[in-house]
Amino acid sequence: DIVMTQSPDALAVSLGERATINCKSSQTVSISSDGKSCLAWYQQRPGQPPKLLIYWASTRESGVPDRFGGSGSGTEFTLTISSLQAEDVALYYCQQCYTTPLTFGGGTKVEIK
Amino acid sequence: QLQLQESGPGLVKPSETLSLTCTVSGGSISSSHYYWALIRQPPGKGLEWIGSIYYSGSTYYNPSLKSRVAISVDTSKNQFSLKVTSVTAADTAVYYCGRHWKMPSYFDLWGRGTLVTVSS
Repeated sequence: DIVMTQSPDALAVSLGERATINCKSSQTVSISSDGKSCLAWYQQRPGQPPKLLIYWASTRESGVPDRFGGSGSGTEFTLTISSLQAEDVALYYCQQCYTTPLTFGGGTKVEIK
Repeated sequence: QLQLQESGPGLVKPSETLSLTCTVSGGSISSSHYYWALIRQPPGKGLEWIGSIYYSGSTYYNPSLKSRVAISVDTSKNQFSLKVTSVTAADTAVYYCGRHWKMPSYFDLWGRGTLVTVSS
């Protein structure tokens, strides 16, 4: 199985400041034929299901604010919230979609400082 | 707008079988573009993919659960279902229905989830 490791487990950021979440996979999740990485990011607010934010490592899902950005390739990936808003308080998960079993990172909790 | 809705008993006794149904509304489960998935989240913990099914009946399971899990589809009812046998307290979780567009892929649509507790 591909193990997904997120860091940090939690972070507190001031409103309007940048939040950065890291995700590392135990093996590459890049598709050799086109170089794209099958890596997704989700946001889970308290009491709600996860919501897709980013797929193919850097493509924003329709309707997702552009303060959310994804980057990285191979085994190392980053989710950046460029200017944290109050509604961004949530758990964030990465997921590899390169191979089965589909696996998720352990989650990162984002709070307001 | 397509929606997913989980339904099933909220309480299951240890050693018994957990059964859960996902109903697809606002669209057809037989769409050739999509696969239908079950994902679970134990209280306060992370997400675990259980398995996926295509409308034709092709299934894909997480090896960690494969011996106890079965996913089926009923296209006439626009539903897919999960059975987990010989449950223990470790199977207590919020169970989500999900959709993805190919195998493997990311999940672009989720149900609201249903809590299933395993307890005597």
